[in-house]
Amino acid sequence: NAGVTQTPKFRILKIGQSMTLQCTQDMNHNYMYWYRQDPGMGLKLIYYSVGAGITDKGEVPNGYNVSRSTTEDFPLRLELAAPSQTSVYFCASSYYVELFFGSGTQLSVL
Amino acid sequence: DQQVKQNSPSLSVQEGRISILNCDYTNSMFDYFLWYKKYPAEGPTFLISISSIKDKNEDGRFTVFLNKSAKHLSLHIVPSQPGDSAVYFCAASANAGNNRKLIWGLGTSLAVNP
Repeated sequence: NAGVTQTPKFRILKIGQSMTLQCTQDMNHNYMYWYRQDPGMGLKLIYYSVGAGITDKGEVPNGYNVSRSTTEDFPLRLELAAPSQTSVYFCASSYYVELFFGSGTQLSVL
Repeated sequence: DQQVKQNSPSLSVQEGRISILNCDYTNSMFDYFLWYKKYPAEGPTFLISISSIKDKNEDGRFTVFLNKSAKHLSLHIVPSQPGDSAVYFCAASANAGNNRKLIWGLGTSLAVNP
């Protein structure tokens, strides 16, 4: 049972480039989330989804987009990367309140 | 406006002693509280939770206490072990329409010294 799988683990982007962070879960959870964690800070919610085809903004959605075409997958798209998007990104899923997290993607935008 | 506060950024404890991590919240609508543990280069992992209808929940070496009148919860680890060294996040949950909103504290870094 793999749980929540995120790829890639590390990535360096140049300013203005785009990329997609992949997230997949095999627990058949309806709820999925994308968080970012900046150094010394807590987790900030970027986007979440309550089921396939349904997504909504979190606290810090600007500069990101998501889609949820299947229960399993919840990719996060960065368009026109900026240095402010340098962070560690975590994908998570849940059945109800308890979240299960992936191992994270460390992204640097230079 | 930090609705969930972990006022101690770090804590150092001797192996075998008790570790007490504290968390304060401001929103009385929170009805479920969780503690997560995070090792470097890994995602947070769920540790223990408590519903607002309880004042204590215990799981092995980990106990969470909830004081609703003070809007305060604490995580006790007894006895502390070097493998407990990690960052601990407190999170509080409330109903938010079609989702449960989860608000996170900034974390407390626990170091358990052999």
